Amino acid sequence: EVQLLESGGGLVQPGGSLRLSCAASGFNYRTNWMHWLRQAPGKGLMWVSRISSDGSVTLYADSVKGRFTISRDNAKNTLYLQMDSLRGEDTAVYYCARDSYSSAPDWGQGTLVTVSS
Amino acid sequence: QSALTQAASVSGSPGQSITIPCTGTSSDVGGYNYVSWYQQHPGKVPKLMIYNVTQRPSGVSNRFSGSKSGNTASLTISGLQAEDEADYYCSSYASSTAVLFGGGTKLTVL
Repeated sequence: EVQLLESGGGLVQPGGSLRLSCAASGFNYRTNWMHWLRQAPGKGLMWVSRISSDGSVTLYADSVKGRFTISRDNAKNTLYLQMDSLRGEDTAVYYCARDSYSSAPDWGQGTLVTVSS
Repeated sequence: QSALTQAASVSGSPGQSITIPCTGTSSDVGGYNYVSWYQQHPGKVPKLMIYNVTQRPSGVSNRFSGSKSGNTASLTISGLQAEDEADYYCSSYASSTAVLFGGGTKLTVL
């Protein structure tokens, strides 16, 4: 059974940083591309970032480009999202998801990030 | 990176069929067969219902089907049931970025 468990969310001040982690199990993690997605309170889904299976290709939504960095450790079956220069509009539940043909068949339960002073 | 366009809401009675359209451009929906649809019940994690325009993941009811014509993709739910009431989101691979989502459509079963 595929399991994805996010951690690292919390309250952070505007301009601050946070690193999210996603522990993966139940599938061959090192051969799968992965996504980060988010959902602001009461709003729709938004794709944030995507990384290739070996970490050599990374893609970002325009709204986070230059502020967020996706990475992975295939030895630890863990995906990361380093978030810097955080803004109020980054407040959301952040999900990691397994990629398949640019879709996301498996999602974690999400971790809440709140950016507020 | 403009979001894909979805109607805010749609409704139908039990047993009926409804269709949710999702409009993009030739750089996303129209240019690739990588359209997906997600169902999300309140407070729950999104669930993949359709991928690659028409494909259903294992375990998804065959009452759900997907199609595409030009720059518009559609999700059709036949034999509407009360448990189908949820938010539905389309997404597509896009050449300018990796993935775009629609704004979501709230389905109400009357």
